[in-house]
Amino acid sequence: EAGVVQSPRYKIIEKKQPVAFWCNPISGHNTLYWYRQNLGQGPELLIRYENEEAVDDSQLPKDRFSAERLKGVDSTLKIQPAELGDSAVYLCASSRGQESYGYTFGSGTRLTVV
Amino acid sequence: SQQGEEDPQALSIQEGENATMNCSYKTSINNLQWYRQNSGRGLVHLILIRSNEREKHSGRLRVTLDTSKKSSSLLITASRAADTASYFCAWGGSARQLTFGSGTQLTVLP
Repeated sequence: EAGVVQSPRYKIIEKKQPVAFWCNPISGHNTLYWYRQNLGQGPELLIRYENEEAVDDSQLPKDRFSAERLKGVDSTLKIQPAELGDSAVYLCASSRGQESYGYTFGSGTRLTVV
Repeated sequence: SQQGEEDPQALSIQEGENATMNCSYKTSINNLQWYRQNSGRGLVHLILIRSNEREKHSGRLRVTLDTSKKSSSLLITASRAADTASYFCAWGGSARQLTFGSGTQLTVLP
């Protein structure tokens, strides 16, 4: 099966500009996650979707971050406006949501805000 | 980290040696998982151990879990240069809610 696809792989923007990331999860995976990973750290959850519904967005900085998952498949994560501290790798993952299975991660988008 | 940690932060060994990484967490869990991340790539799921299991094997990987001590260890036997990567533990109260540790950077020298 195809893996989790993310684009773009790299993005460099000036602060205060908007940016968007796209994720296509594995077919049939109802649960989708966006994580942020700072250099030398583990991933931190931003938002989790069950189908179209955002069921855990407590760590999403809602003043500047937004996400959507239309039709319960692809998802986009947006930052507007971006700040210097947003520089990180943004990882998308999907899972079957069942106890025996782990997550499948995409390769991530490395964002640099200058 | 407020929720857990891994140690060591970095580990350097010779090819053929065993590598052991440790993970501690602070919450009740349903399962604990280990992931590998090669530089510039996403995380790859390695192994999952349920809270009612104490040990699990997969190829050259051996994972132990001690829920009384809230700790887990990952052993990689007969390491290879290709095992060079960052290794993360992740724990959760359900399959849909995982918290990741800060990772161990493993370097296997040829």
